[in-house]
Amino acid sequence: EDKVVQSPLSLVVHEGDTVTLNCSYEVTNFRSLLWYKQEKKAPTFLFMLTSSGIEKKSGRLSSILDKKELFSILNITATQTGDSAVYLCAREGAQKLVFGQGTRLTINP
Amino acid sequence: GAVVSQHPSWVICKSGTSVKIECRSLDFQATTMFWYRQFPKQSLMLMATSNEGSKATYEQGVEKDKFLINHASLTLSTLTVTSAHPEDSSFYICSAAPGGNSYNEQFFGPGTRLTVL
Repeated sequence: EDKVVQSPLSLVVHEGDTVTLNCSYEVTNFRSLLWYKQEKKAPTFLFMLTSSGIEKKSGRLSSILDKKELFSILNITATQTGDSAVYLCAREGAQKLVFGQGTRLTINP
Repeated sequence: GAVVSQHPSWVICKSGTSVKIECRSLDFQATTMFWYRQFPKQSLMLMATSNEGSKATYEQGVEKDKFLINHASLTLSTLTVTSAHPEDSSFYICSAAPGGNSYNEQFFGPGTRLTVL
């Protein structure tokens, strides 16, 4: 069965800290690995990764994929309270997305 | 661009009634639409994939006679929860994919929160 596992499931840090969120997946029919941010409603797209070792960056967020070890990380530097959300990773394969459980990130002022 | 809407945004119904949720792609044509369910503090679970003009493909464990999906046009898919029960209470999210062979370009709707009393 396709599985995507995220860790930690929950993380509470102080504003200004740097966080690293992890996502591991199974390789079956892999096409891409995606990261989303979900606040109260629908997920919003952050990154799509298809190649190993190439970092994608958007402001304080960055992400990288390791296709040999089958995992990806999402880094957020200088966190702000607005970064509080559930972060989801999803693996694309076999004509669908399979989501992980999500990491609930809470940034305290 | 790439806006997906859902209606209603929330609904409360009595046990045993049916509820229809609409998913529309507002500014693009969606060959494929997806329906997900999300329980509190859990991730999105794919329920079914619908392609315009053909029958939906349901994920294992999802009852096709209970969750009726219709994708009658390239901009509209509907999910009908028939004979709803309290355990069907959940957050239902649709997404729309413009087409092609890559399903990573899914645009998500804002979701519908269903509460069955």
